Amino acid sequence: RKEVEQDPGPFNVPEGATVAFNCTYSNSASQSFFWYRQDCRKEPKLLMSVYSSGNEDGRFTAQLNRASQYISLLIRDSKLSDSATYLCVVKRTGNTPLVFGKGTRLSVIA
Amino acid sequence: EAGVVQSPRYKIIEKKQPVAFWCNPISGHNTLYWYRQNLGQGPELLIRYENEEAVDDSQLPKDRFSAERLKGVDSTLKIQPAELGDSAVYLCASSPGTGGFEQYFGPGTRLTVT
Repeated sequence: RKEVEQDPGPFNVPEGATVAFNCTYSNSASQSFFWYRQDCRKEPKLLMSVYSSGNEDGRFTAQLNRASQYISLLIRDSKLSDSATYLCVVKRTGNTPLVFGKGTRLSVIA
Repeated sequence: EAGVVQSPRYKIIEKKQPVAFWCNPISGHNTLYWYRQNLGQGPELLIRYENEEAVDDSQLPKDRFSAERLKGVDSTLKIQPAELGDSAVYLCASSPGTGGFEQYFGPGTRLTVT
C-alpha cells in the first residue's frame, strides 16, 4: 500500500463549481500535511499547509481527519486557472522528508 | 530573489550513455533534495542533503546513480549508464531546513533515454 493515496482523476468541472479532493495516508506517525499544486510541465508549488483545526485561504479549504487518516481540499467557485494537478503531501515527525501522492488532476471547463 | 536553478532543462540521450544534472539552490537554503517524477506520479525522493552531507539516500539506485554537493551549495546528479527506465523529470528542491519548511522546486530536467 502506498503511503499517500489519491484519486488520480481527472475531475472535469465547469467554472463556478465546487470540487473536493480527498487523500489518505497510511502512516499514523505523519505529523505535517500539505497540498502542492503542479501545473502541466511545471514544478510543484506549495498551495497550503493543512492544520488540525482546518484552514481556509480564499476559495480553498483544507481539512485533516487524523482518526480516519485523510486530508481533503475543497475548491469553491472554480476558475479556469485552477486547472492543475493537486499533490497531497505528508511528513512524519523528525528529520524526515516529504512524501508525495500521485496527484489529482483537475480540469475546469468554461 | 532567485529561485532554484536547474540545467539543462531537457536532455535526450541514448541508453548506456552518461548524463549529469546540475542544481543551484536558493541562497541560504541548507537542505537540498533531488526527486524523480515519472509521468502521472508524484515526485519521489532520490537523495537529501543537509549542507554537504547526504542524510537520506536510501532511494538512490547506487549502482548507476551518484550525487554530490561540494561546499554545501550547488549539486550534481549523475546517471551512468542510463537505462530506458530512467526517462523522467528530475527535480531539485531546496529549503531552509528539514523540519516543516516549505520546499521550493526548480523547473526540473526532462530526461529522455532512447
